[in-house]
Amino acid sequence: DIVLTQSPGTLSLSPGERATLSCRASQSVGSSYLAWYQQKRGQAPRLLIYGASTRATGIPDRFSGSGSGTDFTLTISRLEPEDFAVYYCHQYSSSPFTFGPGTKVDIK
Amino acid sequence: QVQLQESGPGLVKPSQTLSLTCTVSGGSISGGGYYWTWIRQHPGKGLEWIGYIYDSGSRHYSPSLKSRVTISVDTSKNQFSLRLSSVTAADTAVYYCARAPVCANDCYPLDFWGQGTLVTVSS
Repeated sequence: DIVLTQSPGTLSLSPGERATLSCRASQSVGSSYLAWYQQKRGQAPRLLIYGASTRATGIPDRFSGSGSGTDFTLTISRLEPEDFAVYYCHQYSSSPFTFGPGTKVDIK
Repeated sequence: QVQLQESGPGLVKPSQTLSLTCTVSGGSISGGGYYWTWIRQHPGKGLEWIGYIYDSGSRHYSPSLKSRVTISVDTSKNQFSLRLSSVTAADTAVYYCARAPVCANDCYPLDFWGQGTLVTVSS
């Protein structure tokens, strides 16, 4: 199984600041089939990024993804109040498909 | 646009079978082209992929749950279902249904999700 590790566990920032979230895979994620999801309390995850760097429909351009192989990054250029949430990376390259443990972005 | 909605008992006794249904609206489940998927999230924890069904009969399950899981589809009702047998407290979780486009020239992740339903395993 591909194990995904996310860091940091919690990121405390202020609105307007830049957020950089990391996702590291235990083995190479083929074809960069790596996605990022945002989850708010009591809600289902929302797809932000797929293919490591492609924004999903309707996602603001302050969200960007990068990386390949085993190291991936989600960047939120300027945090808006609605961006404080938990973010998960997810690999859909190799079964069983797996998720990272999440990074919580909270208000400093 | 497509919507998914989970339904089923919120409380299941240990050793019994958990049964959930996902009703799909805004699109046909029989048209092919999607992996109809179940995922769960233990309280306060991360997400766990359970498995999917596609083409109305092909299935793929997580090895860790494979011996206890069955996913099926009812095209007449535009629904797909999850059965998890011999449950224990460790199966207490929010269960989500979702879909992902079938890989063709490229693969895509889960794009539409249900709101999730909490299932508690307790006597």
